[in-house]
Amino acid sequence: GENVEQHPSTLSVQEGDSAVIKCTYSDSASNYFPWYKQELGKGPQLIIDIRSNVGEKKDQRIAVTLNKTAKHFSLHITETQPEDSAVYFCAARRGTSYDKVIFGPGTSLSVIP
Amino acid sequence: DVKVTQSSRYLVKRTGEKVFLECVQDMDHENMFWYRQDPGLGLRLIYFSYDVKMKEKGDIPEGYSVSREKKERFSLILESASTNQTSMYLCASRSPAGQGHYGYTFGSGTRLTVV
Repeated sequence: GENVEQHPSTLSVQEGDSAVIKCTYSDSASNYFPWYKQELGKGPQLIIDIRSNVGEKKDQRIAVTLNKTAKHFSLHITETQPEDSAVYFCAARRGTSYDKVIFGPGTSLSVIP
Repeated sequence: DVKVTQSSRYLVKRTGEKVFLECVQDMDHENMFWYRQDPGLGLRLIYFSYDVKMKEKGDIPEGYSVSREKKERFSLILESASTNQTSMYLCASRSPAGQGHYGYTFGSGTRLTVV
């Protein structure tokens, strides 16, 4: 069935370093890939998304890249700060509905001051 | 900002009880969702709704039902709670595709423990 894998499951970086989280998806029809950040005690919050007609998208210190051929997409956080510590979820849209989204299992990022 | 409010932060219920989880959004969104979140499994879709009185099954609907009598309110019902339904439940809403924003807005979650 449709699946989204996400690696690593946990990641620790020093403040100021970069963090990279990688996801793969199985549904070749997927064309929308959002990323969510979940801070402790809160619901997930959309931080960036990318559609399949774009290879890369940036928003300040956050960037997402997409390789449709390989069915890979990645989240890059540069100059990490302690407030970046959270669980990050990648997701991929299934079929033609924006409401049929499948999530990866999550990556717990710790930024060490 | 869109607000999605879940009525309870923590709930403890007994096996066999009927449980209601309530969710309200304040931005007139048509689409609402219920997910459960379990460690290592990410978020899994239980049910969603496109409009009042409309509902569709997600990936794991067994043991659950939903109610949407008003546009702003979407309720998740556990007909007879079981211990394997102990989980974090997240409600979300979204404006329809074409209005420029495709992501979900989530509530803070309800952590349900069934004993």
